[in-house]
Amino acid sequence: EVQLVESGGGLVQPGGSLRLSCTASGFNFGTYAMIWVRQAPGRGLEWISGISAYGGSTDYADPVKGRFTISRDNSRNTLFLQMNSLRPDDTAVYFCAKRGATVGQPGAFDCWGHGTLVTVSS
Amino acid sequence: AIQMTQSPSSLSASVGDRVTITCRASQVMRNDLGWFQQKPGKAPKLLIYDASTLQTGVPSRFSGRGSGTDFTLTISNLQPEDSATYYCLQDYSFPLHFGGGTKVEIK
Repeated sequence: EVQLVESGGGLVQPGGSLRLSCTASGFNFGTYAMIWVRQAPGRGLEWISGISAYGGSTDYADPVKGRFTISRDNSRNTLFLQMNSLRPDDTAVYFCAKRGATVGQPGAFDCWGHGTLVTVSS
Repeated sequence: AIQMTQSPSSLSASVGDRVTITCRASQVMRNDLGWFQQKPGKAPKLLIYDASTLQTGVPSRFSGRGSGTDFTLTISNLQPEDSATYYCLQDYSFPLHFGGGTKVEIK
C-alpha cells in the first residue's frame, strides 16, 4: 500500500524552528517528485514547496522563501521540511504529497499524508 | 506566478443535480491542472489530472474540461457523499497555486 506519514509537528514559539518529516512506503520513493502543502485553520490549501525526484531542484512559495528548506533522503524514503524563523501565520496542518508519475500527468498528486499540525504561538 | 481564481466559493444543490465549478488562470497554462476533493479533517484526494483525466477509482460522475486559462469540474448526478470542498491546482509552473476552494453542500 502506498503511504505517506508526516511527523514533527507541534507547538513552537515565534522565531523558533521545527523539522517536519514525511516517511514514504509502498512505492519507489526516489523516483517521484514531492511537495509540501499547508492549510491554516479554516482556510484553503496552500502549496509551499516542491522537490524533484533526486533532490537537485527545489522551489518555494514566496511566504516561506528564505525561511523553509525542503530536502529528501532517498536512502531513508523520507522527505523533510526545515522551518526556521516561524511566525504565527505559519500555523497550519502540513501535508506532504507525491506526484502520480515520474513524467507527465500534470496535476496528478495522487497520494497524500494525513498531515501534521504546526502551531506557532507564545 | 500563475494565480487561480475559483468560483463559486460555495454552492448548495440537491441530490441528482449537476454542478459546475470553474477555475480561471491568470496566464495560459495548457492542460496542467488537477482537481482535488477535501472533506473536513482529511487529506485532499485527487479527482482529475491533466485537466480532464479521471483518476483511477474516482466515480465517472466527476469530469473535467478546459485548457489555456479556463477550466471546469462538473459533478453530474450529485450524491450525498460529494459534500466536500473542491480545489483546483495549477501545475504548469512554479510556484504552484491552488484555487480558493468551492464548498459543495447537499440540500
